[in-house]
Amino acid sequence: AQSVTQLDSQVPVFEEAPVELRCNYSSSVSVYLFWYVQYPNQGLQLLLKYLSGSTLVKGINGFEAEFNKSQTSFHLRKPSVHISDTAEYFCAVSGKGGGNKLTFGTGTQLKVEL
Amino acid sequence: DAMVIQNPRYQVTQFGKPVTLSCSQTLNHNVMYWYQQKSSQAPKLLFHYYDKDFNNEADTPDNFQSRRPNTSFCFLDIRSPGLGDAAMYLCATSPHSTEYNEQFFGPGTRLTVL
Repeated sequence: AQSVTQLDSQVPVFEEAPVELRCNYSSSVSVYLFWYVQYPNQGLQLLLKYLSGSTLVKGINGFEAEFNKSQTSFHLRKPSVHISDTAEYFCAVSGKGGGNKLTFGTGTQLKVEL
Repeated sequence: DAMVIQNPRYQVTQFGKPVTLSCSQTLNHNVMYWYQQKSSQAPKLLFHYYDKDFNNEADTPDNFQSRRPNTSFCFLDIRSPGLGDAAMYLCATSPHSTEYNEQFFGPGTRLTVL
């Protein structure tokens, strides 16, 4: 079984500042890792995913994440945020060979202020 | 554009009155999922279909049922909604042919129980 911990429930940041949203996972098997974004009253949209290969993954809207196997982390970063980045961000994990299931973290609310 | 559609976007029902939420997809994916998401929480998987094969999560209440009459459509039936069933319900799809479990989400239906 897998589990995901998002250490920060809320992250306030000023516009144009950098941001990092933290995600740690636990799994007994190799994993695939995902970050999803959810805007108010919307479904989840995939930001980026790590499947294999390069540990630095680039996604949409200028976001990137780095897979660190030794620290079992997959932190999301953006060098300069915009007001429109205000949303809920979910980290998710899927165990290889574990069937069609995602395990989500509890989410981090990113609030970008002027 | 290929997509996942949920209707209605907002549903109001009365305590104990059966309600059906619908999901359709134009992605031709084998797998369809239903999630329940309560305020400020992670999506919780209720069940999923791999083609017509139904897979229920162990902790999904009997009050929740699902039907998948064909590849494109999937329904969530709540037989006797309680106040605790008020939530956002998310439908997602996944192509089983891929090794990893990228899921494509619809916009969700927000259910209010009076």
